[in-house]
Amino acid sequence: EIVMTQSPATLSVSPGERATLSCRASQSVSSNLAWYQQKPGQAPRLLMYGASTRATGIPARFSGSGSGTEFTLTISSLQSEDFAVYYCQQYNNWPFTFGPGTKVDIK
Amino acid sequence: EVQLVESGGGLVQPGGSLRLSCAASGFTFSTYAMSWVRQAPGKGLECVSTISGGNSGTNYADPVKGRFTISRDNSKNTLYLQMNSLRAEDTAIYYCAKSRGSYGGAFDIWGQGTMVTVSS
Repeated sequence: EIVMTQSPATLSVSPGERATLSCRASQSVSSNLAWYQQKPGQAPRLLMYGASTRATGIPARFSGSGSGTEFTLTISSLQSEDFAVYYCQQYNNWPFTFGPGTKVDIK
Repeated sequence: EVQLVESGGGLVQPGGSLRLSCAASGFTFSTYAMSWVRQAPGKGLECVSTISGGNSGTNYADPVKGRFTISRDNSKNTLYLQMNSLRAEDTAIYYCAKSRGSYGGAFDIWGQGTMVTVSS
């Protein structure tokens, strides 16, 4: 099983600031990496797939990069609606595994 | 509108069974792989099972292998998860999710989830 790790566990950011979230895979997942956003009481929402392609309707302030085992999600200027938990997921090998999440909260 | 609606959750005793359903609309259901993802209270996400859109091949996570069965009825646009021999650690919100491709891919559409509680 591929183990996904995320850092930091919590990121405190002021509105308008940049946020950088990291995700690491225990072995290469190529570019088969997705990012999801989850707000309290809601289902996750797909933000990025293929490591760097924004899903439909996702604002351009979200960007993704990386391949192999190291990945990054960047939110260029945090808006109030961006405070949430973010999960990375590899879908290269079964079982498809998620990272433990990074909580982005208001500084 | 593309939509997934789960049903069938509830309270069940350890060792009991439940069948979850996920009704799909707004897309060609038979084409896409579908999955069940669960989230225990206050915890992260775990993909427990997936079924392809082509040959309906299935995969199961180790914690549920031999106890859960995923299936689909393309004529009814519905995904199922039969859960037997339920344990306390199966307590979670269960989401159905659509993959972007026929055999896998990122989960681009999610249902609202259905709560399963296993307790005596």
